[in-house]
Amino acid sequence: GGIITQTPKFLIGQEGQKLTLKCQQNFNHDTMYWYRQDSGKGLRLIYYSITENDLQKGDLSEGYDASREKKSSFSLTVTSAQKNEMAVFLCASTGGGQNTLYFGAGTRLSVL
Amino acid sequence: QEKVQQSPESLIVPEGAMSSLNCTFSNSASQSIWWYQQHPGKGPEALISIFSNGNKKEGRLTVYLNRASLHVSLHIRDSQPSDSAVYLCAEGGGSALGRLHFGAGTQLIVIP
Repeated sequence: GGIITQTPKFLIGQEGQKLTLKCQQNFNHDTMYWYRQDSGKGLRLIYYSITENDLQKGDLSEGYDASREKKSSFSLTVTSAQKNEMAVFLCASTGGGQNTLYFGAGTRLSVL
Repeated sequence: QEKVQQSPESLIVPEGAMSSLNCTFSNSASQSIWWYQQHPGKGPEALISIFSNGNKKEGRLTVYLNRASLHVSLHIRDSQPSDSAVYLCAEGGGSALGRLHFGAGTQLIVIP
């Protein structure tokens, strides 16, 4: 088995701040994803990457950047945090011929 | 309008009862329909998936898929307090891999 580790678990930022979220996986999976989860809404795909140094935009990429410098890690940057923004950012991976998504525990973002 | 809609928003059942969760999706050609379980403070975990019309049974779980009516349901037999969680329905897969479209979820509470 493997694990997906997201850091930090909690992130408090100021309006306009650039914030970076990190994700590491030891499944040796090729594809990694960033989803955003808002209360009362379904998960929405922000960015995904099918291999090292690849980036693909999801449905909610505006306001975010991503980076996949190594196969095992995928980072997400909120380019300018919005006041009163509150959401959970979930990292996931898949690979090895499977279609199952494996998720990390999430980073909970609050913007003051 | 959300591509995947789930009902009810919340469901309370006594221990030992059958829990029935519903999901409608927008694309009859979706490769697969997935159910994920999410406990508080954790990431979603894949429970069961179905690709073909009909039903699929795994342990206490049964899924029914009707592509013509764009409807899928999840039934949990002999519900346990440990089943209390949010259940997310997702459609997609195939070449889109993790580009799943998720519903907002059903909160299941099983009362001992």
